[in-house]
Amino acid sequence: QVQLAQSGAEVRRPGASVKVSCKASQYTFTGYDIHWVRQATGQGLEWMGWMNPKSRNTGYAQKFQGRIFMTADTSINTAYLELSGLTSDDTAVYYCARGGLVVRENLDFWGQGTLVTVSS
Amino acid sequence: EVVLTQSPATLSLSPGERATLSCRASQSVGNYLAWYQQKPGQAPRLLIYDASNRATDIPARFSGSGSGTDFTLTINNLEPEDFAVYYCQQRSDWPRTFGQGTKVEVK
Repeated sequence: QVQLAQSGAEVRRPGASVKVSCKASQYTFTGYDIHWVRQATGQGLEWMGWMNPKSRNTGYAQKFQGRIFMTADTSINTAYLELSGLTSDDTAVYYCARGGLVVRENLDFWGQGTLVTVSS
Repeated sequence: EVVLTQSPATLSLSPGERATLSCRASQSVGNYLAWYQQKPGQAPRLLIYDASNRATDIPARFSGSGSGTDFTLTINNLEPEDFAVYYCQQRSDWPRTFGQGTKVEVK
């Protein structure tokens, strides 16, 4: 069964950076895009961006441009989301999700989520 | 960016009833619309893609319709496990955007 295992909860001060990992298993990691979606407590879903682990191509939502960075280490089947310049508005659960094989934006498998708390 | 507006915000129904959820786009998204289900404390699950195609292992009581700017998710014969929040998402334009969600709750 496809699995995406994310790193544990993080607490950061305003202005700091955070790096969340997403380890894939039971499928060919380089064959599928990884998307990142976040959700503030009690709020809706917000798409942040995507990357292809093989080509390293990325696409980011404009609102995060300049402070978001998605990478992957194909030797350990792990994708990373790094977000800098954190504010309290970045407090949320961050999900990684696999894009589909045919329809690449079909988010067919999801990680369990990583809570990032930004607080002074 | 494409704004997706879902209605109603909350739908109160009983098991066995039919749920009809709406998603309206601020501009045409063709048929590039998906629906996701999310239960408390869980990650979302893909239900419907490209407006009307059920994802793998999704029961036939879930169906999607629509194109352009108006879309509908229908859940026939609500099962207890169907009470959740439902989101639409478009993949027609960047950034990919989600609606604000419709909560289907037990009446």
